[in-house]
Amino acid sequence: AQSVTQLDSHVSVSEGTPVLLRCNYSSSYSPSLFWYVQHPNKGLQLLLKYTSAATLVKGINGFEAEFKKSETSFHLTKPSAHMSDAAEYFCVVITTSGTYKYIFGTGTRLKVLA
Amino acid sequence: DTAVSQTPKYLVTQMGNDKSIKCEQNLGHDTMYWYKQDSKKFLKIMFSYNNKELIINETVPNRFSPKSPDKAHLNLHINSLELGDSAVYFCASSRGLAGNYEQYFGPGTRLTVT
Repeated sequence: AQSVTQLDSHVSVSEGTPVLLRCNYSSSYSPSLFWYVQHPNKGLQLLLKYTSAATLVKGINGFEAEFKKSETSFHLTKPSAHMSDAAEYFCVVITTSGTYKYIFGTGTRLKVLA
Repeated sequence: DTAVSQTPKYLVTQMGNDKSIKCEQNLGHDTMYWYKQDSKKFLKIMFSYNNKELIINETVPNRFSPKSPDKAHLNLHINSLELGDSAVYFCASSRGLAGNYEQYFGPGTRLTVT
């Protein structure tokens, strides 16, 4: 069975400090992993994706994530938070072996303090 | 140009009514989706169509019926609305079903059932 766990429902950081949003997954098949961001009252936007190529994935707005198979993790990081990063972040697992499964994590609300 | 558009943006209706939400994408994508986001921001896939064919049909009450008149449109019809149907519904599209394709999300339709 496939599942996604976002370990923190809320994360607060000060502007200019690093961001770490944690995501662990479980999948019987080789998954594709995504991070999406949702700003208030908006739809979701792709930040980055892992699809079995390089394990360190760079995305938009300075975000990156590292796929660690041994730890079944795909944590999202950014070296320096900006006020505009305040949003809800979703880790997503997609598997397409057999049946299609699209599993969203429960989201992490990132707050950036001035 | 809006890539994925939904109408209406807000929908307030009474229990027992029937309503529809429309979705259109101008990206030339083959695959479209409907998601439900509840008040706790939890996102769950409801349906997916690929080339007008229903591919994903998660455990959703049969009061919900998707209709895809062509590849660019995926409408959601809901019969006998219930209080628990109150949520934000997102339409999305992607080039294909495979896990390496980015999904493009619409702005959402906030449905309130009273």
